[in-house]
Amino acid sequence: QTVVTQEPSLTVSPGGTVTLTCASSTGTVTSGYSPNWFQQKPGQAPRALIYSTSNKQYWTPARFSGSLLGGKAALTLSGVQPEDEAEYYCLLFHDGAPVFGGGTKLTVL
Amino acid sequence: EVQLVESGGGLVQPGGSLRLSCAASGFTFSSYWIHWVRQVPGRGLVWVSRITPDGDSTYYADSVKGRFTISRDNAKNTLYLQMNSLRAEDTAVYYCARGTAGKPGVDYWGQGTLVTVSS
Repeated sequence: QTVVTQEPSLTVSPGGTVTLTCASSTGTVTSGYSPNWFQQKPGQAPRALIYSTSNKQYWTPARFSGSLLGGKAALTLSGVQPEDEAEYYCLLFHDGAPVFGGGTKLTVL
Repeated sequence: EVQLVESGGGLVQPGGSLRLSCAASGFTFSSYWIHWVRQVPGRGLVWVSRITPDGDSTYYADSVKGRFTISRDNAKNTLYLQMNSLRAEDTAVYYCARGTAGKPGVDYWGQGTLVTVSS
């Protein structure tokens, strides 16, 4: 069974930069896994941020960017705002089968 | 405006059945893959099932295969999830979500409906 791993928690200062990563138990994450990223705030449904590694939804703020980094998918937030405090989930497609990561709780302090 | 509205959740006994619905509006429903994703309160997202735009092909997570059935009625712009032989571990908020056009992924999500399996 494929496991997708994210950092359980990260803390960043307002205005700072943070990178969240998404690893696959099958090995190196490539663009073929079509990484997606989602943001979820308490009591809300998830909101899509990034698809196909680095493509932004039209509503995604410019400070969010997606990439591949060190064999993993990555979501970088530059110039973090207090409202970015949330849970972030990645989604990878393994031979077409979607698998979510366990989520990263991002704290802005 | 794209909208997905789930309904049909509730309390059901172990071994029971429930059918969830997802009413779509604001886009050409028959052109998109649609997914079901669930989330135990306080836990992470888990992909459950998806269906092709024409409804001819369906896919399931191993944990629900043989018990859950996804279907759609494109004339009614509605997605369904028939859940049978429910277990306590199926307790979760169930979201429907639209597949990203032309790419693997999900863009729009519904607000979710809570399913509680308990005696």
